[in-house]
Amino acid sequence: EAAVTQSPRNKVTVTGGNVTLSCRQTNSHNYMYWYRQDTGHGLRLIHYSYGAGNLQIGDVPDGYKATRTTQEDFFLLLELASPSQTSLYFCASSDARNSDYTFGSGTRLLVI
Amino acid sequence: GEQVEQRPPHLSVREGDSAVITCTYTDPNSYYFFWYKQEPGASLQLLMKVFSSTEINEGQGFTVLLNKKDKRLSLNLTAAHPGDSAAYFCAVINQGGSAKLIFGEGTKLTVSS
Repeated sequence: EAAVTQSPRNKVTVTGGNVTLSCRQTNSHNYMYWYRQDTGHGLRLIHYSYGAGNLQIGDVPDGYKATRTTQEDFFLLLELASPSQTSLYFCASSDARNSDYTFGSGTRLLVI
Repeated sequence: GEQVEQRPPHLSVREGDSAVITCTYTDPNSYYFFWYKQEPGASLQLLMKVFSSTEINEGQGFTVLLNKKDKRLSLNLTAAHPGDSAAYFCAVINQGGSAKLIFGEGTKLTVSS
Protein backbone atom coordinates (compact mmCIF):
# COMPACT_ATOMS: atom_id res chain seq x y z
CA GLU A 1 0.00 0.00 0.00
CA ALA A 2 1.30 3.40 -0.99
CA ALA A 3 2.23 5.44 2.03
CA VAL A 4 4.30 8.15 3.66
CA THR A 5 6.28 6.95 6.67
CA GLN A 6 7.90 9.33 9.13
CA SER A 7 10.43 8.58 11.80
CA PRO A 8 10.80 9.00 14.65
CA ARG A 9 7.23 9.46 15.95
CA ASN A 10 8.49 11.40 18.95
CA LYS A 11 11.77 13.12 19.65
CA VAL A 12 13.14 15.11 22.57
CA THR A 13 16.32 17.12 22.21
CA VAL A 14 18.11 19.88 24.03
CA THR A 15 18.56 23.45 22.85
CA GLY A 16 21.47 23.52 20.41
CA GLY A 17 21.10 19.86 19.59
CA ASN A 18 21.18 18.29 16.16
CA VAL A 19 18.03 16.56 14.90
CA THR A 20 17.15 14.76 11.68
CA LEU A 21 13.57 13.88 10.82
CA SER A 22 13.08 11.25 8.15
CA CYS A 23 10.36 10.71 5.61
CA ARG A 24 9.93 7.93 3.04
CA GLN A 25 7.17 7.66 0.46
CA THR A 26 6.21 4.70 -1.67
CA ASN A 27 3.70 6.59 -3.83
CA SER A 28 6.10 7.24 -6.71
CA HIS A 29 5.31 10.91 -6.26
CA ASN A 30 7.70 13.56 -7.52
CA TYR A 31 6.86 16.17 -4.88
CA MET A 32 7.61 15.95 -1.18
CA TYR A 33 6.97 18.51 1.54
CA TRP A 34 7.78 19.27 5.15
CA TYR A 35 5.20 21.14 7.21
CA ARG A 36 5.06 22.17 10.83
CA GLN A 37 1.78 22.37 12.71
CA ASP A 38 1.26 24.79 15.56
CA THR A 39 -1.93 25.81 17.30
CA GLY A 40 -3.42 28.90 15.68
CA HIS A 41 -1.29 28.59 12.54
CA GLY A 42 -2.50 25.49 10.82
CA LEU A 43 0.21 23.77 8.80
CA ARG A 44 3.03 25.91 7.45
CA LEU A 45 5.40 24.83 4.71
CA ILE A 46 9.07 24.61 5.65
CA HIS A 47 10.74 23.10 2.56
CA TYR A 48 9.70 21.06 -0.42
CA SER A 49 11.24 19.22 -3.33
CA TYR A 50 10.43 18.34 -6.92
CA GLY A 51 12.68 15.31 -7.02
CA ALA A 52 15.96 13.80 -5.94
CA GLY A 53 18.58 16.49 -5.43
CA ASN A 54 16.07 19.33 -5.69
CA LEU A 55 15.19 21.63 -2.79
CA GLN A 56 12.79 24.55 -2.64
CA ILE A 57 12.32 27.01 0.19
CA GLY A 58 8.91 27.14 1.81
CA ASP A 59 7.24 29.80 3.88
CA VAL A 60 8.96 29.24 7.27
CA PRO A 61 12.46 27.94 6.37
CA ASP A 62 14.57 29.70 9.02
CA GLY A 63 16.50 27.25 11.18
CA TYR A 64 15.81 24.28 8.92
CA LYS A 65 17.68 22.49 6.19
CA ALA A 66 16.36 19.70 4.05
CA THR A 67 17.75 17.15 1.68
CA ARG A 68 16.08 14.89 -0.88
CA THR A 69 18.46 12.00 -1.40
CA THR A 70 16.24 9.81 -3.57
CA GLN A 71 12.77 9.87 -5.08
CA GLU A 72 11.54 8.19 -1.90
CA ASP A 73 13.47 9.91 0.88
CA PHE A 74 13.23 13.45 2.22
CA PHE A 75 14.99 14.60 5.39
CA LEU A 76 14.52 17.65 7.58
CA LEU A 77 17.57 18.82 9.53
CA LEU A 78 17.68 21.03 12.58
CA GLU A 79 21.36 21.69 13.20
CA LEU A 80 20.95 23.99 16.21
CA ALA A 81 17.55 23.20 17.63
CA SER A 82 15.71 25.92 19.54
CA PRO A 83 12.61 25.75 21.77
CA SER A 84 10.68 27.67 19.08
CA GLN A 85 11.04 24.58 16.89
CA THR A 86 9.00 22.50 19.30
CA SER A 87 6.16 21.44 17.04
CA LEU A 88 4.37 18.65 15.22
CA TYR A 89 6.03 17.98 11.86
CA PHE A 90 4.29 16.42 8.89
CA CYS A 91 5.80 15.11 5.73
CA ALA A 92 3.69 14.77 2.61
CA SER A 93 4.05 13.66 -0.96
CA SER A 94 2.00 14.59 -4.00
CA ASP A 95 1.44 13.91 -7.61
CA ALA A 96 1.25 17.55 -8.62
CA ARG A 97 -0.71 16.82 -11.79
CA ASN A 98 -3.63 15.38 -9.83
CA SER A 99 -2.93 17.26 -6.61
CA ASP A 100 -3.30 14.03 -4.67
CA TYR A 101 -1.57 14.53 -1.35
CA THR A 102 -0.59 11.84 1.13
CA PHE A 103 0.45 12.83 4.65
CA GLY A 104 2.61 10.94 7.08
CA SER A 105 1.60 10.30 10.68
CA GLY A 106 3.69 13.14 12.02
CA THR A 107 6.74 13.57 14.26
CA ARG A 108 6.31 15.36 17.55
CA LEU A 109 9.49 17.25 18.44
CA LEU A 110 10.18 18.76 21.84
CA VAL A 111 13.20 21.02 22.26
CA ILE A 112 14.00 21.66 25.93
CA GLY B 1 1.54 35.10 -1.89
CA GLU B 2 -1.68 33.28 -1.21
CA GLN B 3 -3.19 33.75 2.24
CA VAL B 4 -6.00 31.68 3.69
CA GLU B 5 -8.07 32.81 6.64
CA GLN B 6 -10.27 30.28 8.44
CA ARG B 7 -13.06 31.04 10.91
CA PRO B 8 -14.06 30.30 13.56
CA PRO B 9 -11.05 28.94 15.46
CA HIS B 10 -13.35 27.10 17.87
CA LEU B 11 -16.91 25.86 17.34
CA SER B 12 -19.19 24.02 19.75
CA VAL B 13 -22.52 22.58 18.63
CA ARG B 14 -25.04 20.06 19.90
CA GLU B 15 -25.59 16.73 18.22
CA GLY B 16 -27.94 17.12 15.26
CA ASP B 17 -27.12 20.80 14.74
CA SER B 18 -25.31 22.09 11.69
CA ALA B 19 -21.77 23.38 11.88
CA VAL B 20 -20.32 25.78 9.34
CA ILE B 21 -16.63 26.56 8.87
CA THR B 22 -15.53 29.18 6.38
CA CYS B 23 -12.27 30.03 4.66
CA THR B 24 -11.44 33.03 2.56
CA TYR B 25 -8.46 33.15 0.24
CA THR B 26 -6.73 35.98 -1.57
CA ASP B 27 -5.35 34.61 -4.84
CA PRO B 28 -7.98 34.46 -7.61
CA ASN B 29 -5.75 31.95 -9.41
CA SER B 30 -6.31 29.31 -6.74
CA TYR B 31 -7.88 26.31 -8.41
CA TYR B 32 -7.87 23.33 -6.06
CA PHE B 33 -9.49 23.45 -2.66
CA PHE B 34 -9.33 20.92 0.13
CA TRP B 35 -10.95 20.13 3.46
CA TYR B 36 -9.09 17.94 5.92
CA LYS B 37 -10.18 16.44 9.22
CA GLN B 38 -7.67 15.75 11.98
CA GLU B 39 -8.61 13.73 15.02
CA PRO B 40 -6.49 14.09 18.17
CA GLY B 41 -3.07 12.54 17.76
CA ALA B 42 -3.75 11.58 14.16
CA SER B 43 -2.69 12.70 10.73
CA LEU B 44 -4.82 14.61 8.23
CA GLN B 45 -7.71 12.83 6.60
CA LEU B 46 -8.94 14.21 3.29
CA LEU B 47 -12.66 14.98 3.38
CA MET B 48 -13.00 16.47 -0.06
CA LYS B 49 -11.01 17.95 -2.92
CA VAL B 50 -12.85 20.54 -4.97
CA PHE B 51 -11.86 21.81 -8.36
CA SER B 52 -12.61 25.43 -9.08
CA SER B 53 -15.28 24.72 -11.67
CA THR B 54 -17.54 22.99 -9.16
CA GLU B 55 -19.49 25.07 -6.70
CA ILE B 56 -21.43 22.58 -4.62
CA ASN B 57 -20.01 19.27 -3.54
CA GLU B 58 -21.76 16.82 -1.28
CA GLY B 59 -20.05 14.25 0.86
CA GLN B 60 -21.27 11.91 3.58
CA GLY B 61 -22.96 14.22 6.07
CA PHE B 62 -21.40 17.41 4.76
CA THR B 63 -21.50 19.91 1.92
CA VAL B 64 -18.68 21.99 0.55
CA LEU B 65 -19.54 25.29 -1.11
CA LEU B 66 -17.14 27.30 -3.25
CA ASN B 67 -17.88 30.94 -4.07
CA LYS B 68 -15.18 32.05 -6.50
CA LYS B 69 -16.51 35.59 -6.76
CA ASP B 70 -16.09 36.14 -3.03
CA LYS B 71 -13.08 33.78 -2.80
CA ARG B 72 -14.81 31.84 -0.08
CA LEU B 73 -14.88 28.14 0.72
CA SER B 74 -17.15 26.63 3.33
CA LEU B 75 -17.74 23.29 4.97
CA ASN B 76 -21.21 22.61 6.30
CA LEU B 77 -21.72 19.57 8.49
CA THR B 78 -25.46 19.16 8.14
CA ALA B 79 -26.30 17.11 11.26
CA ALA B 80 -23.22 16.92 13.43
CA HIS B 81 -22.59 13.96 15.71
CA PRO B 82 -19.95 13.43 18.40
CA GLY B 83 -17.75 11.52 15.95
CA ASP B 84 -17.35 14.76 14.01
CA SER B 85 -15.45 16.31 16.91
CA ALA B 86 -12.01 17.07 15.50
CA ALA B 87 -9.90 19.82 13.99
CA TYR B 88 -10.77 20.84 10.45
CA PHE B 89 -8.46 22.56 8.00
CA CYS B 90 -9.06 24.10 4.63
CA ALA B 91 -6.23 24.33 2.12
CA VAL B 92 -5.79 25.74 -1.36
CA ILE B 93 -3.43 25.32 -4.29
CA ASN B 94 -2.93 28.10 -6.77
CA GLN B 95 -1.37 28.16 -10.20
CA GLY B 96 2.09 29.03 -8.97
CA GLY B 97 3.32 25.70 -10.30
CA SER B 98 4.78 24.32 -7.09
CA ALA B 99 1.61 22.47 -6.01
CA LYS B 100 2.05 23.87 -2.51
CA LEU B 101 -0.87 23.44 -0.18
CA ILE B 102 -1.60 26.66 1.73
CA PHE B 103 -3.56 25.93 4.89
CA GLY B 104 -6.03 27.88 6.97
CA GLU B 105 -5.43 28.17 10.69
CA GLY B 106 -7.84 25.39 11.58
CA THR B 107 -11.13 25.04 13.46
CA LYS B 108 -11.56 22.88 16.52
CA LEU B 109 -15.09 21.47 16.42
CA THR B 110 -16.72 19.99 19.50
CA VAL B 111 -20.04 18.19 19.15
CA SER B 112 -21.82 17.42 22.40
CA SER B 113 -24.51 14.77 22.81
